[in-house]
Amino acid sequence: GDSVTQMEGPVTLSEEAFLTINCTYTATGYPSLFWYVQYPGEGLQLLLKATKADDKGSNKGFEATYRKETTSFHLEKGSVQVSDSAVYFCALSHNNNDMRFGAGTRLTVKP
Amino acid sequence: EPEVTQTPSHQVTQMGQEVILRCVPISNHLYFYWYRQILGQKVEFLVSFYNNEISEKSEIFDDQFSVERPDGSNFTLKIRSTKLEDSAMYFCASRHPAGGHNEQFFGPGTRLTVL
Repeated sequence: GDSVTQMEGPVTLSEEAFLTINCTYTATGYPSLFWYVQYPGEGLQLLLKATKADDKGSNKGFEATYRKETTSFHLEKGSVQVSDSAVYFCALSHNNNDMRFGAGTRLTVKP
Repeated sequence: EPEVTQTPSHQVTQMGQEVILRCVPISNHLYFYWYRQILGQKVEFLVSFYNNEISEKSEIFDDQFSVERPDGSNFTLKIRSTKLEDSAMYFCASRHPAGGHNEQFFGPGTRLTVL
């Protein structure tokens, strides 16, 4: 079945460092891909999405490109801030179906 | 901006008791979902609901679980006889039928603690 694999955390960076969180997926067909973020004590918020190969999703300085050839959707940000500290979930979904989430990667950004 | 709401934010119950978790999806959405997240673990799909019936469910969603849309606005998850291992954060989500990007909007979650 469909599945998502994320790099294990936790990830600790200094402010203004470059961030990469790896995500690869296994799926039939052409799922949509998502990154969700969960700030401490809160629910899941959609960060960005991509619906077809080579699409780039972007939001709040974060980017991820849908790479079908490598079945990847890595999350990147050029300069992280303390306020980016959260748990990041990669996810995929086919039409009308459930969202399959990765295990989540906890990011801590230190000043 | 419309959002999914969930009540209560935290529910504490005794093992064996029934609980009902409530969700109000975004008003023009027609697909509804429940997920759970055991502390420190991944978010897991429980069930999807469309046109007043379950469209898909996971292995987790056994006979102890049921869902209902009683009045056209609420979407509820009932656990008939709670177990310790049901302690988790439960997230409701909804999706618009024209949401071609399959984007689901999540509520803030209900933390269920079974003692």
